[in-house]
Order: sequence, then structure tokens, then C-alpha cells
Amino acid sequence: EDQVTQSPEALRLQEGESSSLNCSYTVSGLRGLFWYRQDPGKGPEFLFTLYSAGEEKEKERLKATLTKKESFLHITAPKPEDSATYLCAVQSDNYGQNFVFGPGTRLSVLP
Amino acid sequence: DGGITQSPKYLFRKEGQNVTLSCEQNLNHDAMYWYRQDPGQGLRLIYYSQIVNDFQKGDIAEGYSVSREKKESFPLTVTSAQKNPTAFYLCASSISTEAFFGQGTRLTVV
Repeated sequence: EDQVTQSPEALRLQEGESSSLNCSYTVSGLRGLFWYRQDPGKGPEFLFTLYSAGEEKEKERLKATLTKKESFLHITAPKPEDSATYLCAVQSDNYGQNFVFGPGTRLSVLP
Repeated sequence: DGGITQSPKYLFRKEGQNVTLSCEQNLNHDAMYWYRQDPGQGLRLIYYSQIVNDFQKGDIAEGYSVSREKKESFPLTVTSAQKNPTAFYLCASSISTEAFFGQGTRLTVV
């Protein structure tokens, strides 16, 4: 059975204090790993797709990386507007076009 | 603008009532999904559909029903058999890889 875990559960940073969020996965045949940002009371907003180990994607202050067992979302010099819950999801051979989501990391960036 | 529209944003259900949540997309995506989100938990799959007139149960389908009569529409009915329906419901669509989400419907039992 595919599993996705995320750590930490919650993270508080000062503005400008860089850090990383972790997504660990156990799947049979990874087809893709996805990062989403979710603001309170809103639907998740797509950020990145990663397909193979060694791949990296960047967008503004965010950079996502992928290994064979985990993915990291690096946040460089965060701002208060980066505060949100960050969700990780995988697609695998087990579930075809379906997605398995992790529980998310709640990020708070203090001014 | 292309996207996924969920309505209503807030919905209140009395005990024993069935309610229907709407999901419409104009992205021309074949696959559509319904997820339930509870505090502190990841998204859990209720139902999914890969093509019109076909849909499959997800991990927590009991007490829910769906239809897929048009490519653009995938409504979810929360029946009286669902004993704990209070949650945030998210609809998504996908063409093959990443999924795109609507803004959600918050359902509360009163």
C-alpha cells in the first residue's frame, strides 16, 4: 500500500529564516510526486511535479527536490505571505491516475 | 477563465437529509475526483471518474454517491447513511498527471 508522510507537522519561521519541509513516500512504481500549497478554507494550489530522482524545480522562493525515498521543499528567505499548509501527493503504478496525499505541513512565517 | 467551480461554498445539512455538492470544470479534463478533508488529516478519496458514465469508489465511499453524465460535471451526493458528514469537500480534475482543485465546499450538520 502506498504511503506518504510529511514532517514536521507544523513549522514556525521568522521572516528570512530558510528551512526545508520533508515528504517521505513508500510506493510501488512512482509516476509522479506533487507539491501543493493550501490556504485556510481554500482548495490546494498546484506548485510542482517531480518525476525522477535527482530532479529539481524552482518557483520564486521555493525549490522542490526528489530522491528515491523522499522529496524536500526548500523555502529560501520566506515572507509572511508564504504561510500556508504545504501538501505532498504521489501517483503510482498501484493506483493509476489516483493520488495519495500526505497530511501536510502547516508553515507560519512571522514578520 | 478555465478552472473548477464548486458550489455552494458553505452547506448546512439537517439530520436525515441528502445534500448534493456541485462540481463543474471547463478544462476539458477526463478524470475527476472527490476528496474529503478533515482537520489534521490528508485528503481522502471518496469517488473518482476517468470517463463519462463511469466512476469508481475510493477509500471512503460509504454514504456517498456520484454521477458523471457530462464530461464537465461530477456532482457528489452526501446521503443520510453518511454518519459523520461534517468536513471540507474538494473536487479536482486531471488530464493525466497533476490534479487541479476547486475552492471547496464546507458541509456542516446542524
